Amino acid sequence: DQQVKQNSPSLSVQEGRISILNCDYTNSMFDYFLWYKKYPAEGPTFLISISSIKDKNEDGRFTVFLNKSAKHLSLHIVPSQPGDSAVYFCAARNTGANSKLTFGKGITLSVRP
Amino acid sequence: GAGVSQSPSNKVTEKGKDVELRCDPISGHTALYWYRQSLGQGLEFLIYFQGNSAPDKSGLPSDRFSAERTGGSVSTLTIQRTQQEDSAVYLCASSPGVWNTEAFFGQGTRLTVV
Repeated sequence: DQQVKQNSPSLSVQEGRISILNCDYTNSMFDYFLWYKKYPAEGPTFLISISSIKDKNEDGRFTVFLNKSAKHLSLHIVPSQPGDSAVYFCAARNTGANSKLTFGKGITLSVRP
Repeated sequence: GAGVSQSPSNKVTEKGKDVELRCDPISGHTALYWYRQSLGQGLEFLIYFQGNSAPDKSGLPSDRFSAERTGGSVSTLTIQRTQQEDSAVYLCASSPGVWNTEAFFGQGTRLTVV
């Protein structure tokens, strides 16, 4: 049962435009959400997170939006840069239960120069 | 070291052999995860250690897989009688264990079973 879903396997955007990466979850007990970025032959690196008590968190070019009623979150990158080309993973956990991080399958983002 | 360290970085083994993969988490981190990523696939959860609690082994794909964490620090993932479908990148991550904190990943071990 895939509790964290990233339904679009890939996304291609033009440099300078906005990239919007989507993530859906099914477990209503999840209360902390994270985005990771992964380059080939490297481990994933943390990008940005959001607690369920918020609906938006911004860090430079990266903003994560959370819609709890829809069980949906999205990562916005603006402006997109060629160096942003990577696989992006959405992750979630139930901090109250001290549970593990559950990851989605990832989205491959390609930013065209 | 400053980050999560995994060894070896690459491992080629013959089908049927046993392998051990090692993870040195960040010092003081109480939570430790193992994931694997097969070619073209996402991050598949394997096992989660949190402090002195019983590990969450719900992701281990078969009884050929086991993991232990000695002294709340170093962890070893053991795969017995390896099969070709075990070929993947095995990733270890650790976190402070305090809620609302991210996990830090190592570079992974690329396992190839021939």
